[in-house]
Amino acid sequence: DQQVKQNSPSLSVQEGRISILNCDYTNSMFDYFLWYKKYPAEGPTFLISISSIKDKNEDGRFTVFLNKSAKHLSLHIVPSQPGDSAVYFCAASKGGAGSYQLTFGKGTKLSVIP
Amino acid sequence: DSGVTQTPKHLITATGQRVTLRCSPRSGDLSVYWYQQSLDQGLQFLIQYYNGEERAKGNILERFSAQQFPDLHSELNLSSLELGDSALYFCASSARGQAVSGANVLTFGAGSRLTVL
Repeated sequence: DQQVKQNSPSLSVQEGRISILNCDYTNSMFDYFLWYKKYPAEGPTFLISISSIKDKNEDGRFTVFLNKSAKHLSLHIVPSQPGDSAVYFCAASKGGAGSYQLTFGKGTKLSVIP
Repeated sequence: DSGVTQTPKHLITATGQRVTLRCSPRSGDLSVYWYQQSLDQGLQFLIQYYNGEERAKGNILERFSAQQFPDLHSELNLSSLELGDSALYFCASSARGQAVSGANVLTFGAGSRLTVL
């Protein structure tokens, strides 16, 4: 039972254009959503997060949008740069007492073409 | 350098063997998490420790076990290895393990790649 889904295994975008990576979730108890970027031979690195009470969070070229009613979030990268080529993981965490492990999607490989 | 150190980086072993993966969390972080990434799979949560105590268990097989020591480093023990255990094993750490405002950002190490032949 995959609670966090990234249905596009890969995405190719021209340099300078917008990259849009999508993520869907099924568990309405998730209270935070995070995006991680992963280069080959490295661990995932944190990119940006959003609380479930917000619908948008922006950090430089990266913006995350959350549509709670649709249980959908997206990461926008504008403008896309060749250095953005990596695998992007969507992750979610549940609130309340207890553990705060993250539940991850399978990732989307972004290729930015110069 | 994320500050989370994992050893070894690569490990090749045979079926039926036992291995130990080691993780040193980022300085000051009390929580350690172990994740497994198999081919074409996302990161699967295995287990979490907070300040030496087990906090949560995910899809961890009975052949696998872990612990966190007083100096906060953690070890993941994998025994009776099977071909399907070949994967990248990531350790991550965070400052906390319980509810505080804000997202619980995990910092990951570079991973240990296990190959079982």
